[in-house]
Amino acid sequence: GAVVSQHPSWVICKSGTSVKIECRSLDFQATTMFWYRQFPKQSLMLMATSNEGSKATYEQGVEKDKFLINHASLTLSTLTVTSAHPEDSSFYICSASGGLPGELFFGEGSRLTVL
Amino acid sequence: AQSVTQPDIHITVSEGASLELRCNYSYGATPYLFWYVQSPGQGLQLLLKYFSGDTLVQGIKGFEAEFKRSQSSFNLRKPSVHWSDAAEYFCAVGPRGGATNKLIFGTGTLLAVQP
Repeated sequence: GAVVSQHPSWVICKSGTSVKIECRSLDFQATTMFWYRQFPKQSLMLMATSNEGSKATYEQGVEKDKFLINHASLTLSTLTVTSAHPEDSSFYICSASGGLPGELFFGEGSRLTVL
Repeated sequence: AQSVTQPDIHITVSEGASLELRCNYSYGATPYLFWYVQSPGQGLQLLLKYFSGDTLVQGIKGFEAEFKRSQSSFNLRKPSVHWSDAAEYFCAVGPRGGATNKLIFGTGTLLAVQP
């Protein structure tokens, strides 16, 4: 099946710094990418929908200035957590859509720990 | 409100035993239905999906799921569990048409397999 790669797999940063997470579709062009946040023992919560070449659509309650999403090409979307704080510590997962219903491919996830 | 409920947070079964993971949803109309599996350190992998037609859906790795409209359920089953099936399982729903791949996930069921 199609491959989606996230980088880094885990990152530790100091409070107040910014962290960028990349999501790449390695063998297909992703018209749409999604970013999720997953807390321990909780569901994946959709943060935003990212379409190549346009602004991301954020879900209610997600701060777009805190979580910057860029989808500059059909194979790359980035999530930047700006001025990170300990409460931003979480598991962030991306998925990429090939365009067909249910055709979603997930990255391995990125665990962010903010000290 | 739209939601997906997986009542069992954690299930332990013996290898070779049968398995059923429950999923109930609340949605305005019958959505598209999905089951995903997540192994530690890996992304989510699609097991199976239901769009229409036969309400018993076959998936990969010997899994099947049955859509029951009257119960708003989409339970996942496997007749004989293998140790490699130990993972977390997520049920998800998505809207018909439009942003089909904008999914709502359940909280997941963690499956442990005893030898």
